Amino acid sequence: QKEVEQNSGPLSVPEGAIASLNCTYSDRGSQSFFWYRQYSGKSPELIMSIYSNGDKEDGRFTAQLNKASQYVSLLIRDSQPSDSATYLCAAPSSNTGKLIFGQGTTLQVKP
Amino acid sequence: ETGVTQSPTHLIKTRGQQVTLRCSSQSGHNTVSWYQQALGQGPQFIFQYYREEENGRGNFPPRFSGLQFPNYSSELNVNALELDDSALYLCASSLQGSGNQPQHFGDGTRLSIL
Repeated sequence: QKEVEQNSGPLSVPEGAIASLNCTYSDRGSQSFFWYRQYSGKSPELIMSIYSNGDKEDGRFTAQLNKASQYVSLLIRDSQPSDSATYLCAAPSSNTGKLIFGQGTTLQVKP
Repeated sequence: ETGVTQSPTHLIKTRGQQVTLRCSSQSGHNTVSWYQQALGQGPQFIFQYYREEENGRGNFPPRFSGLQFPNYSSELNVNALELDDSALYLCASSLQGSGNQPQHFGDGTRLSIL
């Protein structure tokens, strides 16, 4: 079992729809979780951090964390073609502190 | 506020050669982590430096080495380059040595091995 798992996609949604990106993790000791956006050929850009169970909203983005289910999600409301990118979920290992990334989910927003 | 900067942007080497990649951390950040990202994969942790000391290492052979300078900038050195070393190398900086702090990435160095 991978430490951080994401569906590679691609996830295709029409413009204006809600995109839902999911991530599961295996380390119950992980305390913080991060979502990064990576455009093709570019480096990852931090878009959300979440540390507590529940929802955290920032503009069109909402991160959801459920530690009991070891599940993190990212919702993007009113999706725009400019949101088309790969979204990476990351969590630190509770033993080593190193940041573990999922393989990323590719999102395509169609006009 | 100055972000994370990496150099060079692109590099082409041949098998067996050695390479040094450089990274300047974001102002105020004392921790630098290095990652290797192959095409279609998430970044893989190579190692982290905190206050000039190695603070954790991933599953990479000893020919991958690094150091951090007093100004918190860092270098990644790879010896005896192999074809599989072709990847995007990312540097990220953060506050403190904990993985719980968000990390901010530079633009990366794309290394191609011929």
